[in-house]
Amino acid sequence: EDKVVQSPLSLVVHEGDTVTLNCSYEVTNFRSLLWYKQEKKAPTFLFMLTSSGIEKKSGRLSSILDKKELFSILNITATQTGDSAVYLCAVEWSSGGSNYKLTFGKGTLLTVNP
Amino acid sequence: DGGITQSPKYLFRKEGQNVTLSCEQNLNHDAMYWYRQDPGQGLRLIYYSQIVNDFQKGDIAEGYSVSREKKESFPLTVTSAQKNPTAFYLCASSPRTGHQPQHFGDGTRLSIL
Repeated sequence: EDKVVQSPLSLVVHEGDTVTLNCSYEVTNFRSLLWYKQEKKAPTFLFMLTSSGIEKKSGRLSSILDKKELFSILNITATQTGDSAVYLCAVEWSSGGSNYKLTFGKGTLLTVNP
Repeated sequence: DGGITQSPKYLFRKEGQNVTLSCEQNLNHDAMYWYRQDPGQGLRLIYYSQIVNDFQKGDIAEGYSVSREKKESFPLTVTSAQKNPTAFYLCASSPRTGHQPQHFGDGTRLSIL
């Protein structure tokens, strides 16, 4: 079964709207959760979260992690057409020992219309 | 500028043919990774390498092979045993395994002729 689940899978909004993207996970030995933005090619790094309740912010984007409820949200305020992309959530975890791996969710396709 | 270069951008494979995707990095990273991305799917790990001359299978290694003879290079061969190779392939690197975030190349899109 999927260890990292993103919702919604796709979303269409108008410029200026605020969106919230969700990522829930179920893994052993969690270490970190990462958000990436993928436009056409290479995913680009947005945030890495390791501690619960501490918001990370970059311009109009912000993200927070809840390690008790096992989820994270990515907020984008005052959306622009340039925010249109696939947003990927990835969780770093280990099945035991020090061998950590990164598992990605399916992504959320965000379309921002003018 | 430091980064990851993947080539070619587009690649076509005939039935029964092996093809090799190139990945080169000049970030001086120890760890390198290959992912496969299908439409509507997340990235799935094919192989990763923590150090030169060492590599491990990821979640979907069947039908693929890799080598790591140099720190900068981590080529992926899609063999004829991979029955559904059409996908977008992404190479990534990080200073060492378990050290995030990973940096990604621009990808290679592989199609079957």
